[in-house]
Amino acid sequence: NAGVTQTPKFQVLKTGQSMTLQCAQDMNHEYMSWYRQDPGMGLRLIHYSVGAGITDQGEVPNGYNVSRSTTEDFPLRLLSAAPSQTSVYFCASSWGGRAAGYEQYFGPGTRLTVT
Amino acid sequence: AQSVTQLDSHVSVSEGTPVLLRCNYSSSYSPSLFWYVQHPNKGLQLLLKYTSAATLVKGINGFEAEFKKSETSFHLTKPSAHMSDAAEYFCVVSVYQGAQKLVFGQGTRLTINP
Repeated sequence: NAGVTQTPKFQVLKTGQSMTLQCAQDMNHEYMSWYRQDPGMGLRLIHYSVGAGITDQGEVPNGYNVSRSTTEDFPLRLLSAAPSQTSVYFCASSWGGRAAGYEQYFGPGTRLTVT
Repeated sequence: AQSVTQLDSHVSVSEGTPVLLRCNYSSSYSPSLFWYVQHPNKGLQLLLKYTSAATLVKGINGFEAEFKKSETSFHLTKPSAHMSDAAEYFCVVSVYQGAQKLVFGQGTRLTINP
């Protein structure tokens, strides 16, 4: 099992550019989510999905879009990048569509810089 | 609403001495609680979790945590620190609101002195 994979590892964008962060998992997990990590703030939930075709907003969704066409993939799209979106982005998956106590498995992260 | 407060942003101990990382939580529901560890430039790894069974929870690498409902605390401890324990530690509260929702504390950076 590869677990949760993310691409790219690093990305530099100019303000106004768009891009997609890729996330895939091979554990057949129903639940997938995106977080951003900023210094001194822990991780904050951007969007999540409880299954193919179902997505919802988290704590900080503005400026980001998601879709879930398959169980395995959950891409995060930045429509028009802003310097405030400079952060480290983590994708995670779990059985968490069913209850609160499931472990979430995290990918290695994507470090994004917007200039 | 759920929230987590990690009481120390940075803890420094000597190798071989005990570790205590403090976490208080607030939750309107009966929570599940987790501790995750993040080594430099890596993703997050689960250390241990509490899901309303035993209040003393044992995790990997000799860590354990005790759930105290009366104090709304879930402190992480280890009897003897090792150099490899140097990392960022996150206390997390999880509730089910149609789906699993995680709320992270701000993190505690643990430094181990030789």
